[in-house]
Amino acid sequence: QKEVEQDPGPLSVPEGAIVSLNCTYSNSAFQYFMWYRQYSRKGPELLMYTYSSGNKEDGRFTAQVDKSSKYISLFIRDSQPSDSATYLCAMSVSGSRLTFGEGTQLTVNP
Amino acid sequence: ETGVTQTPRHLVMGMTNKKSLKCEQHLGHNAMYWYKQSAKKPLELMFVYNFKEQTENNSVPSRFSPECPNSSHLFLHLHTLQPEDSALYLCASSQDQGAAKNIQYFGAGTRLSVL
Repeated sequence: QKEVEQDPGPLSVPEGAIVSLNCTYSNSAFQYFMWYRQYSRKGPELLMYTYSSGNKEDGRFTAQVDKSSKYISLFIRDSQPSDSATYLCAMSVSGSRLTFGEGTQLTVNP
Repeated sequence: ETGVTQTPRHLVMGMTNKKSLKCEQHLGHNAMYWYKQSAKKPLELMFVYNFKEQTENNSVPSRFSPECPNSSHLFLHLHTLQPEDSALYLCASSQDQGAAKNIQYFGAGTRLSVL
């Protein structure tokens, strides 16, 4: 069983839609949760970072962590074509290596 | 720009060639990482250097040889690679491998094709 599971998609939505991206994990010791965005031919860039459970909002992006269910989500409101990218979840125990999901490929159609 | 620069961006090499990938970070970080990214697979951590010392080698074949002369520069020396080594090789840096958050910043990667 993979330590982090992420549906690779592809996911295609119309412009303006609300997008929900999710990861599940098996290691209950994970404390730090990140979402990276990777455009084609680029490296991953940090989008959101959350410590432990709860929500964090940054503009059109909201990250949620539910440690009881071992489930994290990234919501994108009013999605734009420029949001088209691969979204990677990543998580870690304090001071340890990052464990990544496979990535979800998202396309937002004008 | 993320502050992490990788060269070359693209590399095509034969199985008998020797080449090197270079990574430079301008963030004042002390930890540097090499990852391999293949289609439909999670990022695979290859090597970690913290304060110039190698702290992790994730069972990487010896045809990949890392070098970290200082905290700002990281190299990956390649020799006698196999076609299955074709992938995107990403370099990343963070403040300190042992830091609680360990947020990593990535370069744009080197797209490697082994013929």
